Amino acid sequence: AQRVTQPEKLLSVFKGAPVELKCNYSYSGSPELFWYVQYSRQRLQLLLRHISRESIKGFTADLNKGETSFHLKKPFAQEEDSAMYYCALPPQAGAQKLVFGQGTRLTINP
Amino acid sequence: DTGVSQDPRHKITKRGQNVTFRCDPISEHNRLYWYRQTLGQGPEFLTYFQNEAQLEKSRLLSDRFSAERPKGSFSTLEIQRTEQGDSAMYLCASSPPRWREVSGEQFFGPGTRLTVL
Repeated sequence: AQRVTQPEKLLSVFKGAPVELKCNYSYSGSPELFWYVQYSRQRLQLLLRHISRESIKGFTADLNKGETSFHLKKPFAQEEDSAMYYCALPPQAGAQKLVFGQGTRLTINP
Repeated sequence: DTGVSQDPRHKITKRGQNVTFRCDPISEHNRLYWYRQTLGQGPEFLTYFQNEAQLEKSRLLSDRFSAERPKGSFSTLEIQRTEQGDSAMYLCASSPPRWREVSGEQFFGPGTRLTVL
């Protein structure tokens, strides 16, 4: 079965420090990966997807097929980055649903 | 607010009672999803509609669960004979038709938090 693993439930860093949220997946073929974010008292929303190769709010994520990883990175954390972050993928090409990791709560300390 | 809306936002019920939740997707989104999220976990897929057709159901969706989308617009999720293990956040999401899709994004509602006593 396709799986998404986020090994860290909690991650705490200081403002201005680099951030890396880990995501590993199991998937046959070329996956389509997403990072979703949920800020306090807000709904779950898309942060970025690997196909777009964009930088959103300073975050980037590179798909590493060799390591089956899609880690989310930001060079300088800001307090407003504190949130729950979920890595997700469709379990197979063309699937409508998403399989989510368990999430990582990121806290940025002042 | 033109986003996905869900009603109610919170529901407390006693074990054995039936509950029904409603989801109104973004206008013109023909795809609609239900997920369940328990404490400390990511959302887990329950079911998927394309227009009014329910095209996929998870094994998580036991016989006590039923979902409908009768006119291809709003959807309801009913849980019969609730159990304490049904306590969770129930999330609804929608997305546009594939031909209009830009990012593959699913747009989530605020969720309905169910507590079964």
